[in-house]
Amino acid sequence: NAGVTQTPKFQVLKTGQSMTLQCAQDMNHEYMSWYRQDPGMGLRLIHYSVGAGITDQGEVPNGYNVSRSTTEDFPLRLLSAAPSQTSVYFCASSYSLILNEQFFGPGTRLTVL
Amino acid sequence: QQPVQSPQAVILREGEDAVINCSSSKALYSVHWYRQKHGEAPVFLMILLKGGEQKGHEKISASFNEKKQQSSLYLTASQLSYSGTYFCGTPTPTGGFKTIFGAGTRLFVKA
Repeated sequence: NAGVTQTPKFQVLKTGQSMTLQCAQDMNHEYMSWYRQDPGMGLRLIHYSVGAGITDQGEVPNGYNVSRSTTEDFPLRLLSAAPSQTSVYFCASSYSLILNEQFFGPGTRLTVL
Repeated sequence: QQPVQSPQAVILREGEDAVINCSSSKALYSVHWYRQKHGEAPVFLMILLKGGEQKGHEKISASFNEKKQQSSLYLTASQLSYSGTYFCGTPTPTGGFKTIFGAGTRLFVKA
């Protein structure tokens, strides 16, 4: 099992550029989520999904889009990057929301200039 | 709504004990605890469920007071490897299936 994988590990963008952060899991988890973590801060939920075809907004969804066409993949799209989106992005998956732990990917460190 | 963690930071000497608290203004279904070391992803420690069931780390204990909507993580006889930032997460199936995390407690254990 590879667990939760994220690509790329590092990315530098210019303001206004768009890109997609990739996330995949091989544990057949229905629940997946994206968090951002700013320096010295906690984890803030961006978007989440409870299964293929079902997504919803978290605490800080503005400027981001997601889709879930398969159980395995949950990409995060930045529509028009802004310096305020400079952060570390973590993808996580779990078997269930309440009863099971989330497995986190290694993170993507994004810098927007 | 974000759960509140206290203290924000704590410094210990090896072998000392610490308690990290997590409280919520909403009813809790379970409380999840994670530890994150610098530059790494959060790693699961424990889940505390309503009714007293616990799942997770053998050497770390925790409590869950459902009525007070609070949880505490007990780190006893701390080791250097305990250093990191501890987060509590509170999953809620109401208003969407979300897990919201507290701001974290930074723990530093020195020799």
